[in-house]
Amino acid sequence: QQQVKQSPQSLIVQKGGISIINCAYENTAFDYFPWYQQFPGKGPALLIAIRPDVSEKKEGRFTISFNKSAKQFSLHIMDSQPGDSATYFCAASIVTGNQFYFGTGTSLTVIP
Amino acid sequence: DAGVTQSPTHLIKTRGQQVTLRCSPKSGHDTVSWYQQALGQGPQFIFQYYEEEERQRGNFPDRFSGHQFPNYSSELNVNALLLGDSALYLCASSFGQYNSPLHFGNGTRLTVT
Repeated sequence: QQQVKQSPQSLIVQKGGISIINCAYENTAFDYFPWYQQFPGKGPALLIAIRPDVSEKKEGRFTISFNKSAKQFSLHIMDSQPGDSATYFCAASIVTGNQFYFGTGTSLTVIP
Repeated sequence: DAGVTQSPTHLIKTRGQQVTLRCSPKSGHDTVSWYQQALGQGPQFIFQYYEEEERQRGNFPDRFSGHQFPNYSSELNVNALLLGDSALYLCASSFGQYNSPLHFGNGTRLTVT
């Protein structure tokens, strides 16, 4: 059973546009939600993360929105650039646990 | 400051063989986790090592085993390889026993023929 469901599978955005990737979870014990960015041939790199005590976190052009009651969180990439073209993974974990559960990934293509 | 390093980068093995993958954690990190990433999928947790012990294991058979050394580096061993074991194997390091931000290496691409 997929613990974290991610959509869409792929996304094409014009340069300067907003990219939005959504994730949903069922386990209410999850209390740490990171987003990872992965380029071809590389390992995932931590982009931004949020804990459920806040509804939004912004770092530069990247924003996480978190809806605890709906058990959903999303990544917004403002002013998307061709260099943002990569695969994005959401993840969830329990702070006192040992493993992260990853979504299936979203392939983002930003067209110049 | 070196990040997480993994070796080898690519490996081709025959079904039934055994393989050992290696990982050196990021400086200052003491915990190593291993993940399997099939093509087009997200990483799946194999197990985590802390203080040279396996702390938690994901849904993987006993053919997958590991070890952590006193210098925090780690090995992943897979016995009796199956075609379905073909994947990118990612090592991630962190600090402390419980979940803290993972820093991934670039992985070892294993192909089983």
